[in-house]
Amino acid sequence: GENVEQHPSTLSVQEGDSAVIKCTYSDSASNYFPWYKQELGKGPQLIIDIRSNVGEKKDQRIAVTLNKTAKHFSLHITETQPEDSAVYFCAASIEGNRDDKIIFGKGTRLHILP
Amino acid sequence: DTGVSQDPRHKITKRGQNVTFRCDPISEHNRLYWYRQTLGQGPEFLTYFQNEAQLEKSRLLSDRFSAERPKGSFSTLEIQRTEQGDSAMYLCASSPGQGATGELFFGEGSRLTVL
Repeated sequence: GENVEQHPSTLSVQEGDSAVIKCTYSDSASNYFPWYKQELGKGPQLIIDIRSNVGEKKDQRIAVTLNKTAKHFSLHITETQPEDSAVYFCAASIEGNRDDKIIFGKGTRLHILP
Repeated sequence: DTGVSQDPRHKITKRGQNVTFRCDPISEHNRLYWYRQTLGQGPEFLTYFQNEAQLEKSRLLSDRFSAERPKGSFSTLEIQRTEQGDSAMYLCASSPGQGATGELFFGEGSRLTVL
């Protein structure tokens, strides 16, 4: 089955700087890669996703890149703000397949330093 | 509030007792998922439903775990003869489903503490 590895487990960046979180996946059939943000005491919430027919997607300060050959995908947050402090999860699934459950990485705790 | 709701939010029980969690998904969402999350880890897939049909059950789930979605609306997750290793946050999520994985809408979770 699919396995998603995520690095780093903890990341501290100065407010205003950029943050990058990297993930790898094992199943070459995976074609849907969402990113979720989880704040304390809440369930994860989707912030951006990318499908395998594109290599990059951007939404304001957030961008995701995908390298299908290397089975890598990354989350980039620019101009970080205090409200970006949270735990971020990457995930992968085989969309359109009966077995299209979403498998999550272990998470990255992002601290934005004032 | 029309989001995913879970009940109870927190359950403390003694080892060996049975517990049941309920999830009410967003109305008209066909897919319903159960995940388990322990401290410092990502959500681990447990099982999911397409309407009332249970499509897959993770090997993580022992025979002590059972989930139902009898009318394709709310779902229950029952754990029998609880063990301390069952202590975790149990997350429910729903999605429109029907061929596209799409966004999962998570509830705030039910935290289980087994003493």
